[in-house]
Amino acid sequence: SQTIHQWPATLVQPVGSPLSLECTVEGTSNPNLYWYRQAAGRGLQLLFYSVGIGQISSEVPQNLSASRPQDRQFILSSKKLLLSDSGFYLCACTDRANYGYTFGSGTRLTVV
Amino acid sequence: AQSVAQPEDQVNVAEGNPLTVKCTYSVSGNPYLFWYVQYPNRGLQFLLKYITGDNLVKGSYGFEAEFNKSQTSFHLKKPSALVSDSALYFCAVRDQFYFGTGTSLTVIP
Repeated sequence: SQTIHQWPATLVQPVGSPLSLECTVEGTSNPNLYWYRQAAGRGLQLLFYSVGIGQISSEVPQNLSASRPQDRQFILSSKKLLLSDSGFYLCACTDRANYGYTFGSGTRLTVV
Repeated sequence: AQSVAQPEDQVNVAEGNPLTVKCTYSVSGNPYLFWYVQYPNRGLQFLLKYITGDNLVKGSYGFEAEFNKSQTSFHLKKPSALVSDSALYFCAVRDQFYFGTGTSLTVIP
């Protein structure tokens, strides 16, 4: 079964600073990868998904971007953080054999 | 378009009582349905899934779910709730990328 490594666990950044969150996957190849944001501990908002290297689909126009430089690496970035970017960010993957989603442990981002 | 709905934001149940967390779906074709649990400041953990076969699916931590095609439901159940079951529960449909809005379960000692 696949495992997702996501870091850091917590991050406090000032407004206007850049952001880079990284997610790597083990135990599978050619996964679909996702970035979700969870605000106020409730619903999951899909931000980006990727079905392959260099292939990124954006669900919500915003201050963030994503990249997939390698098959099992997914990066969430921002050039200048806004207060509204605060939240809990989750990386997830699926593979064709498993059907379901596997989630990373999440990053709590606080923009101050 | 495929979707799932969780009609209850909050469910409270006494410890030892049976619990039910509701989920309904709208899917064309055969649905692949999932339940996930999230504890505070953690990622979502897989509980169980329905792909095909028996309508009653058994999963982790004593949870089970019943797939009901006529009612388009996939409710999560447990015969006897534990305080440690208190968490946020999400229903999901595969190939859709979207999850339900979540149901916060509180088990009262």
